[in-house]
Amino acid sequence: DQQVKQNSPSLSVQEGRISILNCDYTNSMFDYFLWYKKYPAEGPTFLISISSIKDKNEDGRFTVFLNKSAKHLSLHIVPSQPGDSAVYFCAASGRGTASKLTFGTGTRLQVTL
Amino acid sequence: NAGVTQTPKFRVLKTGQSMTLLCAQDMNHEYMYWYRQDPGMGLRLIHYSVGEGTTAKGEVPDGYNVSRLKKQNFLLGLESAAPSQTSVYFCASSNPNPGGEQYFGPGTRLTVT
Repeated sequence: DQQVKQNSPSLSVQEGRISILNCDYTNSMFDYFLWYKKYPAEGPTFLISISSIKDKNEDGRFTVFLNKSAKHLSLHIVPSQPGDSAVYFCAASGRGTASKLTFGTGTRLQVTL
Repeated sequence: NAGVTQTPKFRVLKTGQSMTLLCAQDMNHEYMYWYRQDPGMGLRLIHYSVGEGTTAKGEVPDGYNVSRLKKQNFLLGLESAAPSQTSVYFCASSNPNPGGEQYFGPGTRLTVT
């Protein structure tokens, strides 16, 4: 039972354009949603998060949108840069769960020149 | 500040052998976690700890044991390795803030033949 789903295994975007990565979830008890970026042979690194009481959080080129009624969130990267090429994981945690994360399966983003 | 370190980086085991993976963090974090990453499956939580001397099961705990004798260290043990435990193992740590980001180590690639 996949509680966090990333239905696009890969995405290719031209440098300078917008990258949009999508994530769906089924568990309405999730309170926080996080995005992690992972390069090959490295551990995931935190990118941005959003609380369930918000619908948008922005940090530089990265913006996360949350649509609770649709149980959907998205990560926007504007403008995309070649260094953004990586695997992006969506993750979620519930209140009082020791911040345990449930991860999606990841989306591989390739930013081309 | 090394962050989260993992030892070893690579290991090959024969079926039935045992080994211990060591995770160390220097950020004084209360919470620590062990995940495994398999192709197409994202990261799945094996065990976690909310403080020194405490451990709890995650999503896929079978075949693994853990110990947290010191706050900065979290050990993952495989008593009798099986080929199904071939995976990349990641350790992470975090503060007990709701939705707090987790900091990941670089991973240990384990192959069981």
